Amino acid sequence: QVQLVQSGAEVKEPGASVKVSCKASGFTFTDYTLHWVRQAPGQRLEWMGWMNAGTGNTKYSQIFQGRVTLTRDTSASTAYMELSSLRYEDTAVYYCARDSGFDSWGQGTLVTVSS
Amino acid sequence: DVVMTQSPLSLPVSLGQPASISCRSSQSLVYSDGKTYLNWFQQRPGQSPRRLIYKVSNRDSGVPDRFSGSGSGTDFTLKISRVEAEDVGVYYCLQGTHWPWTFGQGTKVEIK
Repeated sequence: QVQLVQSGAEVKEPGASVKVSCKASGFTFTDYTLHWVRQAPGQRLEWMGWMNAGTGNTKYSQIFQGRVTLTRDTSASTAYMELSSLRYEDTAVYYCARDSGFDSWGQGTLVTVSS
Repeated sequence: DVVMTQSPLSLPVSLGQPASISCRSSQSLVYSDGKTYLNWFQQRPGQSPRRLIYKVSNRDSGVPDRFSGSGSGTDFTLKISRVEAEDVGVYYCLQGTHWPWTFGQGTKVEIK
């Protein structure tokens, strides 16, 4: 079955970077796009960006432009989201989701920004 | 950006009773291909979101038929015909017609 398994929780200081992974199984990784979405405490879901796992093409929300980078390792069927220059307000659960229909989601990765 | 506005934000419902959630968009969600990219998600406490409905009214595999979606243009509705205890959670709409994709603010369904 389709599965997206994300890396574990992270604690980072302000100004640092974090890299979250999303390992795919149960489907052909390069046939799909992957989205990244975050959910800050008590806030609505927020779309961050999108990557075509086959071509590596990306598109980012203007809110995160310049701070977020999406990459992938096709040999490992794994997508990555790196967020730089972390701020306290970046504390959130980060999700990967498959395809433009968001039909499957990872379990989420809690990133805490704290000094 | 397209603003997605859900109502109500909190919905206490008795078991076995119907529930209805509205989602309104600030622009029409009809894409140039004629399709409307409006999805509904359920997020149970402590879990990831789960898609229930895609393109307005198509129910995902394994989703109980008490869930239904309807609407067009800028007005959309998710209905639960008879609420069960497992339906407790937050429900979100998502538009995928206009970039960037945007979510509604969520509607919390709880048992009265």
